[in-house]
Amino acid sequence: EAAVTQSPRNKVAVTGGKVTLSCNQTNNHNNMYWYRQDTGHGLRLIHYSYGAGSTEKGDIPDGYKASRPSQENFSLILELATPSQTSVYFCASGDAPGNERLFFGHGTKLSVL
Amino acid sequence: QQNVQQSPESLIVPEGARTSLNCTFSDSASQYFWWYRQHSGKAPKALMSIFSNGEKEEGRFTIHLNKASLHFSLHIRDSQPSDSALYLCAVSGTGFASALTFGSGTKVIVLP
Repeated sequence: EAAVTQSPRNKVAVTGGKVTLSCNQTNNHNNMYWYRQDTGHGLRLIHYSYGAGSTEKGDIPDGYKASRPSQENFSLILELATPSQTSVYFCASGDAPGNERLFFGHGTKLSVL
Repeated sequence: QQNVQQSPESLIVPEGARTSLNCTFSDSASQYFWWYRQHSGKAPKALMSIFSNGEKEEGRFTIHLNKASLHFSLHIRDSQPSDSALYLCAVSGTGFASALTFGSGTKVIVLP
C-alpha cells in the first residue's frame, strides 16, 4: 500500500510564528495534496501539486504557501501562523489522473496559541 | 465551486443492520464519486468509487449513483462495530487532474 509520511505528528506554534509541515511519499505519485480537517467541515483543500516544481491553489489557500521540491516531498508553510489555523492537516498523494484514489498520511495536529 | 453535502450528520445503528449514507453535489459535470472511511484518530482511507449511473457492490458495501438527481449513496449491509467511523463522500470535477471535494462527513456508530 502507498506510504505517505507526515512530520511532525503534533506541533504547537505561537501566533505570528512560521510553521512548516512536511510530507513524504515513496510511491512515485505525481499528484500531492494538502487538506485541513475541522469538525463540521470535512476535508478542505489548501494546495496541491501535479509534480516537482508545481503548486496550485485549492479552495482555501489564504495564509498558506506550498512547496514541491521533488517528486517525493511536499511542504505546507504558514508564514505568519494565526489561531484560526489550528487544525489537523492531512497530506495525500494520488495514484492516477482522472479517477484518482488518494492515499493519506496520518495527519499533523497543529495548535496555534 | 463544487458544493458537497452529506446527511445525516450522525447515525447510530445496531449490529447487523443496514446503514445508509447520502451525499449530494452541485456540479452536474462531476465525473467520479468516492466514499472514504476514517476511523477515530486515523487517516482517511478510500472505500470505493463509481463513475457511471447505477449501482456497484463490493462485499458488504454498495454505492448508488444518480447523476440527474446530483445524488449518490453508500449502503452497508450487516453493519459491524468495526464499521464505526466517520464516512466522507468526495466528488471530482472535470479535467485531467481534478482534486476531490469532500463532504463534511457522517459519523456512524454501530452498537454491538
